[in-house]
Amino acid sequence: ETGVTQSPTHLIKTRGQQVTLRCSSQSGHNTVSWYQQALGQGPQFIFQYYREEENGRGNFPPRFSGLQFPNYSSELNVNALELDDSALYLCASSFGGGIIGDEQYFGPGTRLTVT
Amino acid sequence: EDKVVQSPLSLVVHEGDTVTLNCSYEVTNFRSLLWYKQEKKAPTFLFMLTSSGIEKKSGRLSSILDKKELFSILNITATQTGDSAVYLCAVEPMNYGGSQGNLIFGKGTKLSVKP
Repeated sequence: ETGVTQSPTHLIKTRGQQVTLRCSSQSGHNTVSWYQQALGQGPQFIFQYYREEENGRGNFPPRFSGLQFPNYSSELNVNALELDDSALYLCASSFGGGIIGDEQYFGPGTRLTVT
Repeated sequence: EDKVVQSPLSLVVHEGDTVTLNCSYEVTNFRSLLWYKQEKKAPTFLFMLTSSGIEKKSGRLSSILDKKELFSILNITATQTGDSAVYLCAVEPMNYGGSQGNLIFGKGTKLSVKP
């Protein structure tokens, strides 16, 4: 039991719609990273939030945006959904911004299907 | 461009067999290499390797890193059906693209252990 939770578990959206995914970090953690895992692929880094600020971003377009709240939970927002956005979205929590290593714990993910 | 390559992509063995999973990487500034097991959704941490030649062991699993040749292996001895999963290799770079502490994953090796 990692303590990282995500909601919803599954989601079906139509192309062009917008979606918000949520992540509650493990108690004591102040950093949340988001990853996209397409079928048959490894997770790809989207961005990281540390103490409510974006702390780095991978190669994803601006329609992928996020927030981190004072309690360190986080949201991932995706606008203008495309079919290729269909994937498992994983969040991972850790403490300390740049320090990940073995101190990062993944949530169970949200499975997004875009039709 | 930083990348992580895993081989084989899939593997089918019988219970009791020993397997070796491979991970090679090209990363500008290496910090650590991590192995994860992904059964359904959340990747679970197995090992973190930072130094060459030092084997990490946990039960039937072991892993070693070669920083000169830029690869790591994960060994599983006396495999069991419960070892069936996708095994992910990830590299944690330092100051990757301005971000802090994100992970670069390979595509994973899907291991199926038959009774």
